[in-house]
Amino acid sequence: GAVVSQHPSWVICKSGTSVKIECRSLDFQATTMFWYRQFPKQSLMLMATSNEGSKATYEQGVEKDKFLINHASLTLSTLTVTSAHPEDSSFYICSAPGLASHEQYFGPGTRLTVT
Amino acid sequence: TQLLEQSPQFLSIQEGENLTVYCNSSSVFSSLQWYRQEPGEGPVLLVTVVTGGEVKKLKRLTFQFGDARKDSSLHITAAQPGDTGLYLCAGVNNDMRFGAGTRLTVKP
Repeated sequence: GAVVSQHPSWVICKSGTSVKIECRSLDFQATTMFWYRQFPKQSLMLMATSNEGSKATYEQGVEKDKFLINHASLTLSTLTVTSAHPEDSSFYICSAPGLASHEQYFGPGTRLTVT
Repeated sequence: TQLLEQSPQFLSIQEGENLTVYCNSSSVFSSLQWYRQEPGEGPVLLVTVVTGGEVKKLKRLTFQFGDARKDSSLHITAAQPGDTGLYLCAGVNNDMRFGAGTRLTVKP
């Protein structure tokens, strides 16, 4: 079946630095990808919709200048957390829709810890 | 504010018991999905329901989609310790929105 990968699987960075997370669709093309954030013992919250070749659409309350999204190709979307702070520590998950309207393939997630 | 209200949030039961998890919304969805997530991993799809009133069975798990396509339920029969995990419902339209999740613990 369709596979979505994320890299890195976990990262530790210092406060004030930037971190880039990659989301790749391995055997299919995705004009749209979704980025979610999940805090401990909570559900997934949609952060933004990444659109290939155009600007991402951010959910209310998500700072677009802090969470930079680039969808440069049909198989790659990146999320850059800029000037990271400890409160940005979370589990970041991406997903890509399949051909059918209800198909959605999730990446394995990236654990970000900001110290 | 969650678009989907999921209940209960936590559930701890003994092996062999039955349980039902509910997912409710005021919104209509084109489809609704149930996922199970293990710590440190992405969610894994259990089922997709598309048609109002639809019932799907997956071994000991029974999923139902409400007639109005606004709510759904997950029923587990004779729960086993291996069923322990976080269960998430997700409503699908142009994007996917998750419920708050139900953390299930099945004690042996």
